[in-house]
Amino acid sequence: DAGVTQSPTHLIKTRGQQVTLRCSPKSGHDTVSWYQQALGQGPQFIFQYYEEEERQRGNFPDRFSGHQFPNYSSELNVNALLLGDSALYLCASSFRGGVTDTQYFGPGTRLTVL
Amino acid sequence: AQSVAQPEDQVNVAEGNPLTVKCTYSVSGNPYLFWYVQYPNRGLQFLLKYITGDNLVKGSYGFEAEFNKSQTSFHLKKPSALVSDSALYFCAVRDMNTGFQKLVFGTGTRLLVSP
Repeated sequence: DAGVTQSPTHLIKTRGQQVTLRCSPKSGHDTVSWYQQALGQGPQFIFQYYEEEERQRGNFPDRFSGHQFPNYSSELNVNALLLGDSALYLCASSFRGGVTDTQYFGPGTRLTVL
Repeated sequence: AQSVAQPEDQVNVAEGNPLTVKCTYSVSGNPYLFWYVQYPNRGLQFLLKYITGDNLVKGSYGFEAEFNKSQTSFHLKKPSALVSDSALYFCAVRDMNTGFQKLVFGTGTRLLVSP
């Protein structure tokens, strides 16, 4: 049973550039959430996708956008990168996005902005 | 707004001794509470959750947590610690009344188990 997978593992960008991160949910899951984990902090919710639509969004600027594909995989896009965007980006998947459901996390993508 | 507090940045315990990692929460409605563990350069691994029912929740790897509504706490416990339990532990809360899955995490507690 495949778990949540993310690519790439590591990424280095410069300020002002754009980046795309990818996530494939756990087998049988149809809901994907994205979190940002800055160094020494707990993960912060960015947004969640269900049925190819953004269903809930955290306190992140519009530079952060996403997409969900018909096969339930998802992308996180960040435009006009800032130094402060350096973080571990975590993808989590669940089934139906029910309020009692458990989210299962992938290994993350480490983004460094220089 | 939902929030979680983990008052200890680090907990040190000797192998074989019981361990407790503390968590308190604040939500406007009834809480759903979760514990995750993070090993170096890894994502979060789910340990256990409290939704409703028995206040003592049993999870993976011998961990359990006790929900205390009057003290708004959800402390993680294990009767006998292993060196391999050394990792970063996160408590998280979801507000049942929002109907959404957003998790709000604490800042984490580093557990160090010495041989």
